[in-house]
Amino acid sequence: DAGITQSPRHKVTETGTPVTLRCHQTENHRYMYWYRQDPGHGLRLIHYSYGVKDTDKGEVSDGYSVSRSKTEDFLLTLESATSSQTSVYFCAISRAEGREANYGYTFGSGTRLTVV
Amino acid sequence: GESVGLHLPTLSVQEGDNSIINCAYSNSASDYFIWYKQESGKGPQFIIDIRSNMDKRQGQRVTVLLNKTVKHLSLQIAATQPGDSAVYFCAETYSNDYKLSFGAGTTVTVRA
Repeated sequence: DAGITQSPRHKVTETGTPVTLRCHQTENHRYMYWYRQDPGHGLRLIHYSYGVKDTDKGEVSDGYSVSRSKTEDFLLTLESATSSQTSVYFCAISRAEGREANYGYTFGSGTRLTVV
Repeated sequence: GESVGLHLPTLSVQEGDNSIINCAYSNSASDYFIWYKQESGKGPQFIIDIRSNMDKRQGQRVTVLLNKTVKHLSLQIAATQPGDSAVYFCAETYSNDYKLSFGAGTTVTVRA
């Protein structure tokens, strides 16, 4: 999607190894989010950020950490990957400012992570 | 047209018919709702949104209806086309929350 890129697009890693996924935006949006998508669960929020160095947990944050040192980059780290973290990970950005703001997200194309 | 009264994970529609996709939301405080379309291998894409001060909003070939009394949202697609085959998600939030909560999604398959 225009303005937001995720890397890598695909990754296979071994159980117990650290993994970092990157989300990069060129829109200068304040809010950034990491979701995971699994069959039967839809999209579930892992962590989100409302500014540089301002982050908070979502509903499925255990086993994940995030960092945002610049407006444009939001990193998701799996400190020690487990098979239950095999999933498709989506980053999203949101402008979400102003009284009649559109709170909708723009999503990246996703990262398919397989933990073996 | 094809419709579902309750949320079902799949919907099969004849090309040219109208589709209705339903969604029940959970938070009575939610005041902003969005429908997303996700094609295979891609991220979800914004279709249409509606605020709680409205009951209906129309876009190009799509209409969203909101019934706050029963916390129900629906997406109507007119003259369904093969390119409409995708997974459709509803999402909800409330003002100043800045986080969307997503439904489980409905997979729409268009039959030629």
